[in-house]
Amino acid sequence: QLQLQESGPGLVKPSETLSLTCTVSGGSISSSSYYWGWIRQPPGKGLEWIGSIYYSGSTYYNPSLKSRVTISVDTSKNQFSLKLSSVTAADTAVYYCARHAPPYGFDPWGQGTLVTVSS
Amino acid sequence: EIVLTQSPGTLSLSPGERATLSCRASQSVSSSYLAWYQQKPGQAPRLLIYGASSRATGIPDRFSGSGSGTDFTLTISRLEPEDFAVYYCQQYGSSPFMYTFGQGTKLEIK
Repeated sequence: QLQLQESGPGLVKPSETLSLTCTVSGGSISSSSYYWGWIRQPPGKGLEWIGSIYYSGSTYYNPSLKSRVTISVDTSKNQFSLKLSSVTAADTAVYYCARHAPPYGFDPWGQGTLVTVSS
Repeated sequence: EIVLTQSPGTLSLSPGERATLSCRASQSVSSSYLAWYQQKPGQAPRLLIYGASSRATGIPDRFSGSGSGTDFTLTISRLEPEDFAVYYCQQYGSSPFMYTFGQGTKLEIK
């Protein structure tokens, strides 16, 4: 079955760039039916969609984060990645990657990875 | 941007009871574009319902979704101990491409 796994540093300094990778196993990231997204959840708070990418490279970002977000895909490695620049403490969150097929929901999800922004 | 407001914020019920969770949108949402998730502590969210009323794979039939326009409901017919969790609604917007989540409803054991 399809599985997603986030990876990357758990601690990032303020003003630096947060970088995470999601590795997809059990299926191809190049499937024409699906998009691949990033969602985050600050500790004790709700969910926020960050953005999504199609295997062709088309990207879609949350307007509230668009100026700081870059999502890319590497089909040869079956991975997609997130970069969030100029981070502050407000970017401390569990970051999830997930597959989706608009207009339907996100399924499945990775287990999530906590990223803390602190000096 | 469409805002989703979930109510109540916390719902206290006993196993065996019926749970009714509400999700209200600030503008009309296509039923095809409304989903519900369950999240337990320390776990990723799990898709329960998509298209407002279709159960995702493996979801028990005690979970049902309904609604249209601006008002949507998630109903759990008979609560099992494992159903106590936080529930989120989510909508998709195609123009622009955008996903938004409600703030969540915590279903706790009474």
